[in-house]
Amino acid sequence: GAVVSQHPSWVICKSGTSVKIECRSLDFQATTMFWYRQFPKQSLMLMATSNEGSKATYEQGVEKDKFLINHASLTLSTLTVTSAHPEDSSFYICSARGRLAGGISSYNEQFFGPGTRLTVL
Amino acid sequence: AQSVTQPDIHITVSEGASLELRCNYSYGATPYLFWYVQSPGQGLQLLLKYFSGDTLVQGIKGFEAEFKRSQSSFNLRKPSVHWSDAAEYFCAVGSYNQGGKLIFGQGTELSVKP
Repeated sequence: GAVVSQHPSWVICKSGTSVKIECRSLDFQATTMFWYRQFPKQSLMLMATSNEGSKATYEQGVEKDKFLINHASLTLSTLTVTSAHPEDSSFYICSARGRLAGGISSYNEQFFGPGTRLTVL
Repeated sequence: AQSVTQPDIHITVSEGASLELRCNYSYGATPYLFWYVQSPGQGLQLLLKYFSGDTLVQGIKGFEAEFKRSQSSFNLRKPSVHWSDAAEYFCAVGSYNQGGKLIFGQGTELSVKP
């Protein structure tokens, strides 16, 4: 249980275009989803936290108008990179926590997706 | 400020040798801790976690970690390393008053010599 998927697994786009990445919780209700960015040979940096039905909370230094996050349902959050540029090329990972099967709450544990490799040409 | 430090950027061990990866944290509140492993181009796989109770935690793939509050450490150990353990290892820390957020260490890259 507690499986998180991401789509697409990789995407290549031209500079100036927008790209949408989906994060889905497959077998539990994700009340909170987190979006991370990971540059090569670096650690994961939290970009934003989104609670279902609420606006996302962005970390300091992350442009909310550039990285649009929507968490409209308990199983889906999307990250849209608007007007992408080569410096936005990165590995984007989502994670989720929430109500697992049997009503157990995973408040303190996040379940991670497999990541999406974005390359902006 | 809250922080997580993995002092070793890169470690090389021989196959069959023992392994210890260090993780130190600085937190104002009671922490909970995780170790994750990441292979190139892949997502994170949870190795083990500590929330409370027994400070020696057993994980998957033969890994264990010990929470030492007095030293603010949560070091990862394995008695005998396999070539397939070569990967990037991340320590992550959260606390009960941070809304579930995690702070990750910089990572330690493990290489395994035949």
